[in-house]
Amino acid sequence: EIVLTQSPDTLSLSPGESATLSCRASQSVGSKYLAWYQQKPGQAPRLLMYGASIRATGIPDRFSGSGSGTDFTLTISRLEPEDFAVYYCQHYGRSLPWTFGQGTKVEI
Amino acid sequence: QVQLQESGPGLVKPSETLTLTCTVSSGSMSNKYWNWIRQSPGKGLEWIGYVFYTGTTHYNPSLESRVTISVDPSKNQFSLELTSVTAADTAVYYCARADIEPTLRYFDYWGQGTLVTVSS
Repeated sequence: EIVLTQSPDTLSLSPGESATLSCRASQSVGSKYLAWYQQKPGQAPRLLMYGASIRATGIPDRFSGSGSGTDFTLTISRLEPEDFAVYYCQHYGRSLPWTFGQGTKVEI
Repeated sequence: QVQLQESGPGLVKPSETLTLTCTVSSGSMSNKYWNWIRQSPGKGLEWIGYVFYTGTTHYNPSLESRVTISVDPSKNQFSLELTSVTAADTAVYYCARADIEPTLRYFDYWGQGTLVTVSS
């Protein structure tokens, strides 16, 4: 099982600032099999990025992703009030089970 | 726009079987993986398993001995059965879709989630 470890657990920032979230895998997931999701209270997760760096439909360009192998980063530039949420990374490669990171909370 | 909706009891007694159904609207179930994912209160996300529209399944080893996921394409539904539940199975259960193409197997559509509480 691939273990995904996200850091930090919590990020305290203000609107307008930038957020850098990290996701580290216990073994390589390649560059094409890593997704990021955003979850707000009481809602289902929403797909933000896939293939580590490809924005999903409708996701604003202030969200960007990078990385390959075992180290991945989600960057949110110019935080908007609606960006304060919990973010999860997830691998969806051929190595099952598919797993999620424990989440990073971006709070004001 | 594909929509998924979970349904089923919100309360299950310990040692009994949890059964949920996900109804898929506005789209065919063909050539997709149909997944169950759960989230325990205040905790992260756990993939339970998937069913392909042909009925092929794959489960998380952590739950494999207690899980059955089935599909009924004629009704645009797939279902989850989890046996011998305990309080540790209390969670919000989500259904979600993934593509069969390996580079596209992220979860692109999710249901709203349904809370299942295990309690006597």
